[in-house]
Amino acid sequence: DTGVSQNPRHKITKRGQNVTFRCDPISEHNRLYWYRQTLGQGPEFLTYFQNEAQLEKSRLLSDRFSAERPKGSFSTLEIQRTEQGDSAMYLCATSRTVGYTFGSGTRLTVV
Amino acid sequence: RKEVEQDPGPFNVPEGATVAFNCTYSNSASQSFFWYRQDCRKEPKLLMSVYSSGNEDGRFTAQLNRASQYISLLIRDSKLSDSATYLCVVPNTGTASKLTFGTGTRLQVTL
Repeated sequence: DTGVSQNPRHKITKRGQNVTFRCDPISEHNRLYWYRQTLGQGPEFLTYFQNEAQLEKSRLLSDRFSAERPKGSFSTLEIQRTEQGDSAMYLCATSRTVGYTFGSGTRLTVV
Repeated sequence: RKEVEQDPGPFNVPEGATVAFNCTYSNSASQSFFWYRQDCRKEPKLLMSVYSSGNEDGRFTAQLNRASQYISLLIRDSKLSDSATYLCVVPNTGTASKLTFGTGTRLQVTL
């Protein structure tokens, strides 16, 4: 599969727990983005990596959120002490120049 | 003014109808624009790019009016399979190439 892969597809967690999502980009894509999408809204930018460097973070990304891309390949997004408001679809997208390819997303439900 | 604004719909049209969606954007420096299609509970997928005054691809036509800062998407001869949410997308003019999405316009094509 040469697309953008995200795992897990679904995650249900209790409030207060930590969760981690993974994104495997298309190889050769040096740019990687995380977006969050809630029902009835378009995706909202969270953070951006160029290779292993995290170059931009949205103010939506509170201190409970952290993202890494240690070797410039796969990326992880961790949410600590989850809250019900974190329930959303978390989308990863990668690109080389122009044009994004999105992964299928991880749907998080915090109960 | 929101960065990207769309009528959320839903637009309910019969098969074979022509339907048009409008989108306004606030950043007059934006040079390129995109329309993405998103099916229910799926990731967004690129439908069309708009770099100049417009672009046509089969039944789909995208037009850009820079003076008024709006983009439109016209779908002719609607098919049942066109039912989806259509997202207007404006790239950031900075170096991150992040995308700003509208809330999306939902289209339902019926028999």
